[in-house]
Amino acid sequence: NAGVMQNPRHLVRRRGQEARLRCSPMKGHSHVYWYRQLPEEGLKFMVYLQKENIIDESGMPKERFSAEFPKEGPSILRIQQVVRGDSAAYFCASSPSRTSTSSGEQFFGPGTRLTVL
Amino acid sequence: SQELEQSPQSLIVQEGKNLTINCTSSKTLYGLYWYKQKYGEGLIFLMMLQKGGEEKSHEKITAKLDEKKQQSSLHITASQPSHAGIYLCGAGLGTSYGKLTFGQGTILTVHP
Repeated sequence: NAGVMQNPRHLVRRRGQEARLRCSPMKGHSHVYWYRQLPEEGLKFMVYLQKENIIDESGMPKERFSAEFPKEGPSILRIQQVVRGDSAAYFCASSPSRTSTSSGEQFFGPGTRLTVL
Repeated sequence: SQELEQSPQSLIVQEGKNLTINCTSSKTLYGLYWYKQKYGEGLIFLMMLQKGGEEKSHEKITAKLDEKKQQSSLHITASQPSHAGIYLCGAGLGTSYGKLTFGQGTILTVHP
């Protein structure tokens, strides 16, 4: 059973370009979470999605960032008009059910390291 | 201030020594997760603790949750170089189901 897949592993963009990060959850998992790890900072929650629904986007910057998890295909985190401050490692996690007090361990992918020149 | 505080921030030990990493929450814990991250890689799930007083072990790693103190500890017995990495605690805080809040991490170095 393959783990959480993310691609690309490394992405280089120039300021103003768009970045698209993809995440394929583990088989049987319908809950996807995106986190960002900035240099010298901890891991911060961005958004929580189920198929075709955004459940919690409280950690998403208000502008330029969007996420989707379509009925078919991977989840996509999209960053428009990237700036140098967007350089970070972006991690995707998935769980078989909603993470709660009793279930829903989140399993992480290897991350996409975005560098903005 | 951090909602989840880990201590120490870094730890250097000699191979074979025991060590403990602590994770303290400023809010009620709804599930506490321990992960290990190697530099430049993803997070490896270690254990999840749910109930006050719960204790789980995997190989030489033991984690406990003291719900009354809103604190968890991770203990490694007879450390090995393979234990080196960054240990992260994560938790669902308050009523935020789904979203995990993480501590800042503890960097563990094990000298052979």
